[in-house]
Amino acid sequence: SAVISQKPSRDICQRGTSLTIQCQVDSQVTMMFWYRQQPGQSLTLIATANQGSEATYESGFVIDKFPISRPNLTFSTLTVSNMSPEDSSIYLCSATRGGRQPQHFGDGTRLSIL
Amino acid sequence: AQTVTQSQPEMSVQEAETVTLSCTYDTSESDYYLFWYKQPPSRQMILVIRQEAYKQQNATENRFSVNFQKAAKSFSLKISDSQLGDAAMYFCAYRRGNQFYFGTGTSLTVIP
Repeated sequence: SAVISQKPSRDICQRGTSLTIQCQVDSQVTMMFWYRQQPGQSLTLIATANQGSEATYESGFVIDKFPISRPNLTFSTLTVSNMSPEDSSIYLCSATRGGRQPQHFGDGTRLSIL
Repeated sequence: AQTVTQSQPEMSVQEAETVTLSCTYDTSESDYYLFWYKQPPSRQMILVIRQEAYKQQNATENRFSVNFQKAAKSFSLKISDSQLGDAAMYFCAYRRGNQFYFGTGTSLTVIP
């Protein structure tokens, strides 16, 4: 299974600033995803990070607010832009190889906006 | 559209006893994959067990087993000999191709 390192693990940010979260996988994967999760709740998919092309965003999420990069098959970043208190959440990175493989997850980033 | 339903927001079990967590899903496909994930308070999502839809045999991983009823679109997780470390949120997930769907989760409490 893939090992996923995500950082930072937590941060407290000021309103109006931006934060970039990094996700590093220890081996090449076909798909990488970014989720948002409120404590005790299920996961909400933000976008699928596509290697070498623009990410595929889910309804309610836009590139200007959540720009995503994926320069290669093992690394992706999610930026939370112009943050507001409503963006306070846990952000999870995950990755999978193709076919029948499950997703594997990073430890998550707990983000609080003051 | 594929959806995954976990009808038990919370469950509890006595230590050393057995508990079953329910999951149903909606799909018109015949080839797909099902997973159970565990998320303890430390936050990391951990894969517990997986099931291929084309396999009739129920998957088993040590104390964890599933009851996969394809016709009924049901995929329950049984935890035997429950331990304090089993306390966590449990998520059922469905994969078809590049699409993943997660249930809303069941919070499991283990009572000493």
